[in-house]
Amino acid sequence: GAGVSQTPSNKVTEKGKYVELRCDPISGHTALYWYRQSLGQGPEFLIYFQGTGAADDSGLPNDRFFAVRPEGSVSTLKIQRTERGDSAVYLCASSSDTSSYNEQFFGPGTRLTVL
Amino acid sequence: DAKTTQPNSMESNEEEPVHLPCNHSTISGTDYIHWYRQLPSQGPEYVIHGLTSNVNNRMASLAIAEDRKSSTLILHRATLRDAAVYYCILRDSQGGSEKLVFGKGTKLTVNP
Repeated sequence: GAGVSQTPSNKVTEKGKYVELRCDPISGHTALYWYRQSLGQGPEFLIYFQGTGAADDSGLPNDRFFAVRPEGSVSTLKIQRTERGDSAVYLCASSSDTSSYNEQFFGPGTRLTVL
Repeated sequence: DAKTTQPNSMESNEEEPVHLPCNHSTISGTDYIHWYRQLPSQGPEYVIHGLTSNVNNRMASLAIAEDRKSSTLILHRATLRDAAVYYCILRDSQGGSEKLVFGKGTKLTVNP
């Protein structure tokens, strides 16, 4: 079956611009996660949705970052007034429930470059 | 979240076994030990998890020390496709945040 997909695969923008990154989770997965990964580092948690609501947004670095999941499936990560330090690979993952052992399935990521 | 410690890098030869260590001395009784790996230019993928007993699946084996303060991911016959960064992660079974907390992991190089 189809895995987690993310669009675009690459995004180049200029400092100060607004960007939207999209994540299509595996069908039926209620939990959705956003992470970002800088070069040479492990992924860093940003936000977690259970259904339509953000259950944990403690990883969002500041109020320029916002994410939505209005119908409990597709999610969009929105970054306002982008800065060069926002350049990273943004990863999305989904899982079928929230048990501690349930695996998260990751998409290929969106590589964001802020010039 | 309890922390894990892994070597930055390891090297192996193709078709030989690989033992990837992880120390987690502050693990709590309710923490599961999870392993994920990330192949180049891909998102991480689940490998295996365990609580107390050793575990086997089609990808790997997980050996957990009796005191649970360390564990070892075992790839029985490394292939070139196993070259990846391997992450050891603790997840609390008592709930709370469902996020994965990644360290820097171990970069495994497999030589032909």
